[in-house]
Amino acid sequence: AQSVAQPEDQVNVAEGNPLTVKCTYSVSGNPYLFWYVQYPNRGLQFLLKYITGDNLVKGSYGFEAEFNKSQTSFHLKKPSALVSDSALYFCAVRPNRDDKIIFGKGTRLHILP
Amino acid sequence: EAQVTQNPRYLITVTGKKLTVTCSQNMNHEYMSWYRQDPGLGLRQIYYSMNVEVTDKGDVPEGYKVSRKEKRNFPLILESPSPNQTSLYFCASSPRIAGGTDTQYFGPGTRLTVL
Repeated sequence: AQSVAQPEDQVNVAEGNPLTVKCTYSVSGNPYLFWYVQYPNRGLQFLLKYITGDNLVKGSYGFEAEFNKSQTSFHLKKPSALVSDSALYFCAVRPNRDDKIIFGKGTRLHILP
Repeated sequence: EAQVTQNPRYLITVTGKKLTVTCSQNMNHEYMSWYRQDPGLGLRQIYYSMNVEVTDKGDVPEGYKVSRKEKRNFPLILESPSPNQTSLYFCASSPRIAGGTDTQYFGPGTRLTVL
């Protein structure tokens, strides 16, 4: 079955340190990959996506993600974390262009002041 | 302003009392979808619609109905709500899914409690 996994329920990072939120996927073909963020009491907001081309994708709020086909991963990164980055992050994959999107279970990111 | 709106934002109801959660988008998007979000389970798709009069089941459609009579609206109907439908619900829309690259725009969510 096609799926996306976020192996960490929660990630704690000190403010100013680099952060990584992990995502791996299991789909056939060439998937489209997305990251969304959910702030408290808000809907999900799009952060970035990988469709094709450069494996390093840059998105909103200074976030970036690296597509690694051999490891089937799409980890979210930021060089220097801010307290305001604390939120729930969802990785999502669309297996093929006509398939529906599949969401991971989410990773709660806590940035400690 | 481009947006997806949902109403109500909060609802407490009792078992068996029919309810409708409305969803409307002003971006002329073809694709609309309903999700429920539960702790530890992430987002699960309930129903989706590729265009007017075209709807299909998602991963957890039991106990829900939808309709798509107009492009902008995609209401979620619970004919006989039960406590296991207590959840946070999100509506989302995007341009044609066939494009494959299109991101989804989410509404603010509806927190439903069924007693």
